[in-house]
Amino acid sequence: DAGVTQSPTHLIKTRGQQVTLRCSPISGHKSVSWYQQVLGQGPQFIFQYYEKEERGRGNFPDRFSARQFPNYSSELNVNALLLGDSALYLCASSSAGIRYNEQFFGPGTRLTVL
Amino acid sequence: ILNVEQSPQSLHVQEGDSTNFTCSFPSSNFYALHWYRWETAKSPEALFVMTLNGDEKKKGRISATLNTKEGYSYLYIKGSQPEDSATYLCAFYVDSSYKLIFGSGTRLLVRP
Repeated sequence: DAGVTQSPTHLIKTRGQQVTLRCSPISGHKSVSWYQQVLGQGPQFIFQYYEKEERGRGNFPDRFSARQFPNYSSELNVNALLLGDSALYLCASSSAGIRYNEQFFGPGTRLTVL
Repeated sequence: ILNVEQSPQSLHVQEGDSTNFTCSFPSSNFYALHWYRWETAKSPEALFVMTLNGDEKKKGRISATLNTKEGYSYLYIKGSQPEDSATYLCAFYVDSSYKLIFGSGTRLLVRP
């Protein structure tokens, strides 16, 4: 079975631009979470979606938004990019979105903001 | 502010050494604790999900314990091998939220 996939792998943007990152969960998984990871730190929680509804939101500004589609894939949008948004963005899926379920991570999208 | 603290930050050991790391978290409103292994150029991989005080889990040479009353979990690796070299992350869910809060990880390097 295919694991969690993310696209694109790498992305370079300039300040003020907007970016959309995509994630396809493992087949059968209904929950998708997004994380931001900067060097030297653990992943920081951004959003969790389950059955197309937002169930959790981390401490990120409103420039960050996300959605989940009927096929359970997800997009993360970041508007008005800042230099500090440069990071690895990880997507993770789990089967039921409950806290006992392990999360399966994708390879990430490396975003560089110049 | 809810924080997860992991120690040590990094660890260099010789092949065959046994080692352990600590994850500390707020003991109130605990819900579940996750351990992940993150090898360079790969995705984080789940090792354990622990929920009950006193839980002990084992996968091959790796085991973990959980103390929710005092707010810590230990991860043990017996007879470390070079392929165990990775960053080990712990993360916890607090209360009824769906926010998984990660520590900064322990970076393990096992020398042949």
